[in-house]
Amino acid sequence: DVKVTQSSRYLVKRTGEKVFLECVQDMDHENMFWYRQDPGLGLRLIYFSYDVKMKEKGDIPEGYSVSREKKERFSLILESASTNQTSMYLCASSHPRDTSYEQYFGPGTRLTVT
Amino acid sequence: EDQVTQSPEALRLQEGESSSLNCSYTVSGLRGLFWYRQDPGKGPEFLFTLYSAGEEKEKERLKATLTKKESFLHITAPKPEDSATYLCAVQTLGYQKVTFGIGTKLQVIP
Repeated sequence: DVKVTQSSRYLVKRTGEKVFLECVQDMDHENMFWYRQDPGLGLRLIYFSYDVKMKEKGDIPEGYSVSREKKERFSLILESASTNQTSMYLCASSHPRDTSYEQYFGPGTRLTVT
Repeated sequence: EDQVTQSPEALRLQEGESSSLNCSYTVSGLRGLFWYRQDPGKGPEFLFTLYSAGEEKEKERLKATLTKKESFLHITAPKPEDSATYLCAVQTLGYQKVTFGIGTKLQVIP
């Protein structure tokens, strides 16, 4: 079974802190994604990566950056956390040649910024 | 820009009461339309991919259908364990990005 793990289930940070969210997948997938999920807004794409050191902005990249130094690991960085970044963060991965185009999701990190 | 609209936002059914969830979409060229199930506090779990109008897929009590403008997720004789939020999403040809709808929260009462 594909497994996508995220470093924390719950995280509480202070405004202005630098925050790192880590995601690891064990199926050698090229594609990895970071989403945030908010009530009434659904899942919104922050960034995605289609290869090591490659990244593309999603719909809401402002205030975020990403790092992909190894194929299995994709990190989301909040440079200076703000209260409007309080949300559920979901990581996903997929294989570009998987004809179902299925994305495998991690369990999520619920981040609270106070 | 791809758009996905799901209705209703919430649905409450008695156990055994069949119904359908709707997903309306606009996309420049459809690569795939997806249905996911999400339980509280968990990440979405893949259910189906539909590729072209007229296609149908089934899994247990769930059946997904696709037209050129919308998809339906039919739930036949639902059980309480079918309670979850069901997400619809689309992907455009040539792109890896997937656009999600807000979801339909289904509650099945015993």
